[in-house]
Amino acid sequence: DAMVIQNPRYQVTQFGKPVTLSCSQTLNHNVMYWYQQKSSQAPKLLFHYYDKDFNNEADTPDNFQSRRPNTSFCFLDIRSPGLGDAAMYLCATSRGQIDEKLFFGSGTQLSVL
Amino acid sequence: DAKTTQPNSMESNEEEPVHLPCNHSTISGTDYIHWYRQLPSQGPEYVIHGLTSNVNNRMASLAIAEDRKSSTLILHRATLRDAAVYYCILGEMANTGNQFYFGTGTSLTVIP
Repeated sequence: DAMVIQNPRYQVTQFGKPVTLSCSQTLNHNVMYWYQQKSSQAPKLLFHYYDKDFNNEADTPDNFQSRRPNTSFCFLDIRSPGLGDAAMYLCATSRGQIDEKLFFGSGTQLSVL
Repeated sequence: DAKTTQPNSMESNEEEPVHLPCNHSTISGTDYIHWYRQLPSQGPEYVIHGLTSNVNNRMASLAIAEDRKSSTLILHRATLRDAAVYYCILGEMANTGNQFYFGTGTSLTVIP
């Protein structure tokens, strides 16, 4: 039944070592979003894809990149993780129409050692 | 970015109704008002959304002010499973698809 799937559930990386988080969806939605949620804070939008069009938030650090090779998959790449990048990373999808809602995955908890 | 304001926390007794307020004074005419809730270590879960009229579903009701500058999420009978952080969000339409920016949310405690 899982519609937005994030792997892995927990990810540990070393300071400065590139890491990739993955998200897949079975909903065939046009839009895929990546949010960063630090402890006790609200989710913060990093960027989103509308189909193949990438849309970056103005305050998203260059250290964060994303790829969407097809409709079903989207990846979050952190090129050189710092201690401050430890967070829950949430993937979400939407059809992209104005009255549509978000569907979230369970998130990937990233630890940076 | 975040265009909603909510109280940081609220408490409710079990089986009592809960009214969670949200202010969104800068809402535009096409923004939808969404509510999501998040349990610890889980992704947010959709609760309800609406544009102008009050909305009801099996989880909750959404009351939207006539000027749309505020709304209230109503849980008719709080249960212990309703303890979560509730986020009020505006769904903003752009050429690049609808965008959703989270506010700080309200942490709801349900007292047995």
